[in-house]
Amino acid sequence: GENVGLHLPTLSVQEGDNSIINCAYSNSASDYFIWYKQESGKGPQFIIDIRSNMDKRQGQRVTVLLNKTVKHLSLQIAATQPGDSAVYFCAAMDSSYKLIFGSGTRLLVRP
Amino acid sequence: GAGVSQTPSNKVTEKGKYVELRCDPISGHTALYWYRQSLGQGPEFLIYFQGTGAADDSGLPNDRFFAVRPEGSVSTLKIQRTERGDSAVYLCASSFGTSRMAEQFFGPGTRLTVL
Repeated sequence: GENVGLHLPTLSVQEGDNSIINCAYSNSASDYFIWYKQESGKGPQFIIDIRSNMDKRQGQRVTVLLNKTVKHLSLQIAATQPGDSAVYFCAAMDSSYKLIFGSGTRLLVRP
Repeated sequence: GAGVSQTPSNKVTEKGKYVELRCDPISGHTALYWYRQSLGQGPEFLIYFQGTGAADDSGLPNDRFFAVRPEGSVSTLKIQRTERGDSAVYLCASSFGTSRMAEQFFGPGTRLTVL
């Protein structure tokens, strides 16, 4: 099966700086990955996804990088804003098409 | 437009009782998912419906858990003989179409507390 973990439970950044949140997965057969943002009292919200035939994908202020060799995924947020404060989860789709979530990184944005 | 809604938002029950949690998906979404999220953890898959049928129930932890979606829209997650370990936030998500890679839209969850 798949096992997904995030490297840091908490990340504190200065407003305006770039944030990098890391994630590792275990199953080299996983071929679809998603980053979610979860604010307090709400369900996870889709941010960006990437398939295994890509190594980089960009959205608005966000970039996801995928390194299949070391089974590592990262989310980069440019010019971090107070509204970016939340818990971020990476998720990998396993061979039975279930999403396996990591334990999350809490992003704190200092004013 | 309306997103996924879940009721109740909070449910407190006693050990051994039966509970029902309701999910109203986004109109037109044929796929519906239930997840369980324990404190400090990511969501954990429970069951997936495509239309009225449970296409994948491999995440249900035991036979005390059951879910239905009789008309292919609203779904109810049912938990019998609740245990303290069932305490968690139960999340529902829906998506359009039949692809498991379609974007899932999550509801706010029902926080279940078993005393």
